[in-house]
Amino acid sequence: EVQVLESGGGLAQPGGSLRLSCAASGFTFSNYAMSWVRQAPGKGLEWVSAITGGSDSTYYADSVKGRFTISRDNSKNTLYLQMNSLRADDTAVYYCARVLDSINWRYYFDYWGQGTLVTVSS
Amino acid sequence: EIVLTQSPATLSLSPGERATLSCRASQSVSSYLAWYQQKPGQAPRLLIYDASNRATGVPARFSGSESGTDFTLTISSLEPEDFAVYYCQQRRDWPLTFGGGTKVEIK
Repeated sequence: EVQVLESGGGLAQPGGSLRLSCAASGFTFSNYAMSWVRQAPGKGLEWVSAITGGSDSTYYADSVKGRFTISRDNSKNTLYLQMNSLRADDTAVYYCARVLDSINWRYYFDYWGQGTLVTVSS
Repeated sequence: EIVLTQSPATLSLSPGERATLSCRASQSVSSYLAWYQQKPGQAPRLLIYDASNRATGVPARFSGSESGTDFTLTISSLEPEDFAVYYCQQRRDWPLTFGGGTKVEIK
């Protein structure tokens, strides 16, 4: 059974940092691109970042470029999101999601975790 | 950035009725559009990808279609579990973008 489980959320101060993790199981992790998608309280979905299976390419939303870094450790089946220079508008539930088929550039998300809440406030 | 505009914002229908949700792209996305369903407190679920392909395990009452930059998700006969928020998403270009969502509520 495919599972992805996020961790690392919590309260951070403006200007602070957090690192999110996403542990994957039930599939060959290195064969799949992965992504982070966030959802502010009561709002819609916002794509944040994506990384290919071999980490050769990374992609970012303009809103996080230069502040967030996506990475992965295929030996640990784990995806990461390092978030620096956090702002109040980064407050959201952050979802880890598997990309449906990156070989054919189908960057849709077929499996999602339950999300981890990041709150940025002083 | 490709902007996806969903309409209506809210759709009030009864079980058994047909639901028609719209997603309009600000420029061509070819057929590279997906639909997701999200229920309160849950992660989104992929329903349709590449405009008209049902994802694994998705019931046949869900279907997707396209006409130029206009995309439609149709639920042929609403079941009680279909009342939720629906989002479209494009993969034509970076950044990936989502529409603002359509809430399907019980009338």
